[in-house]
Amino acid sequence: GQQLNQSPQSMFIQEGEDVSMNCTSSSIFNTWLWYKQDPGEGPVLLIALYKAGELTSNGRLTAQFGITRKDSFLNISASIPSDVGIYFCAGQISGNTPLVFGKGTRLSVIA
Amino acid sequence: DTAVSQTPKYLVTQMGNDKSIKCEQNLGHDTMYWYKQDSKKFLKIMFSYNNKELIINETVPNRFSPKSPDKAHLNLHINSLELGDSAVYFCASSLRRTGDTQYFGPGTRLTVL
Repeated sequence: GQQLNQSPQSMFIQEGEDVSMNCTSSSIFNTWLWYKQDPGEGPVLLIALYKAGELTSNGRLTAQFGITRKDSFLNISASIPSDVGIYFCAGQISGNTPLVFGKGTRLSVIA
Repeated sequence: DTAVSQTPKYLVTQMGNDKSIKCEQNLGHDTMYWYKQDSKKFLKIMFSYNNKELIINETVPNRFSPKSPDKAHLNLHINSLELGDSAVYFCASSLRRTGDTQYFGPGTRLTVL
């Protein structure tokens, strides 16, 4: 089946540092989504991207839909302890196909 | 108010048993989903229902049978549970079809002994 390559797999950063993670695909996607999952909880949507080249911010988070439509990145600026969790990218080829998830980036923030 | 809710939160059972997980959404969404998250946190779609109609059925064993009594509910029944079924199962919903943003429930952690 369709797979997304998400990197890095895990990150350990100091509080206040910026973070960057990305996802790539061998297929063209129409939609890219970024989710965060806290321990014991379900994934929560952070940012949704629907157009190639689109750059969208949500507070300290910024995500971009790559112009090739085969990649997306998520940046977190000035990280804080509550940013800890697993970040998932998810993509969709078309409106009727399943959402495909990356394997997640586990973020740890050292105060 | 909880948007997507699941019960139970935890389920521990013996191999060979039959169990059900319930999901309800109060968002007025048309489409609901079941996902399985394994021990490595990999999330994979299992089923999707739109207005009580099955629209996505990934390669899932026949022992798994979703049931949607109405568009606000999507339950998952699992027969003859196996050790490999141990995982966290997430329900999700979206406004229309799969192209819309999906909202996830809190998950049900199933442990098969």
